[in-house]
Amino acid sequence: DVKVTQSSRYLVKRTGEKVFLECVQDMDHENMFWYRQDPGLGLRLIYFSYDVKMKEKGDIPEGYSVSREKKERFSLILESASTNQTSMYLCASSFLVHSNQPQHFGDGTRLSIL
Amino acid sequence: DQQVKQNSPSLSVQEGRISILNCDYTNSMFDYFLWYKKYPAEGPTFLISISSIKDKNEDGRFTVFLNKSAKHLSLHIVPSQPGDSAVYFCAGTSYGKLTFGQGTILTVHP
Repeated sequence: DVKVTQSSRYLVKRTGEKVFLECVQDMDHENMFWYRQDPGLGLRLIYFSYDVKMKEKGDIPEGYSVSREKKERFSLILESASTNQTSMYLCASSFLVHSNQPQHFGDGTRLSIL
Repeated sequence: DQQVKQNSPSLSVQEGRISILNCDYTNSMFDYFLWYKKYPAEGPTFLISISSIKDKNEDGRFTVFLNKSAKHLSLHIVPSQPGDSAVYFCAGTSYGKLTFGQGTILTVHP
């Protein structure tokens, strides 16, 4: 079974802090993704990566950056956390080749910015 | 611009009856559509998909219908079970990138 592991289930940080969310997958997937989930808005794509050291902006990249130094690890960085970044963050991974390959998700990190 | 819309925030169904979850989209470039199910405190899990060139795909109790001319898809669950109670997201995919709807909360009553 594919395992996508997010380092923290719950995180509380202060406004202005630099925040790191970590994600690791164990299936040698090329693609990795970061989403945030907010009530009434569904899941919105923040950033994704097709390969090591490659990154692409999603639909809502402002205030975020990412890092992919190794194939299995994809980090989301909040450069200077703000209260409107309080949300559920979900990491996912998938194979590259076919568009219908389902993405496999981690259990999420509930991030609160005070 | 909401490219994928689920206009019903919630749906309540009796156990054993059919659940029908609906989804509309605007992006003609989607080549596949997927349904995900999400329980509280867990990540979404893949349920079923359909190619944009098909009009139906079935997997056990789950059937997805696609009406390309109306840009509409639906997920049918027959018979519904209490364990099906969850949030259901539809998504369109293009070049491996998913665009999700807002989700519909399904509650199946015993």
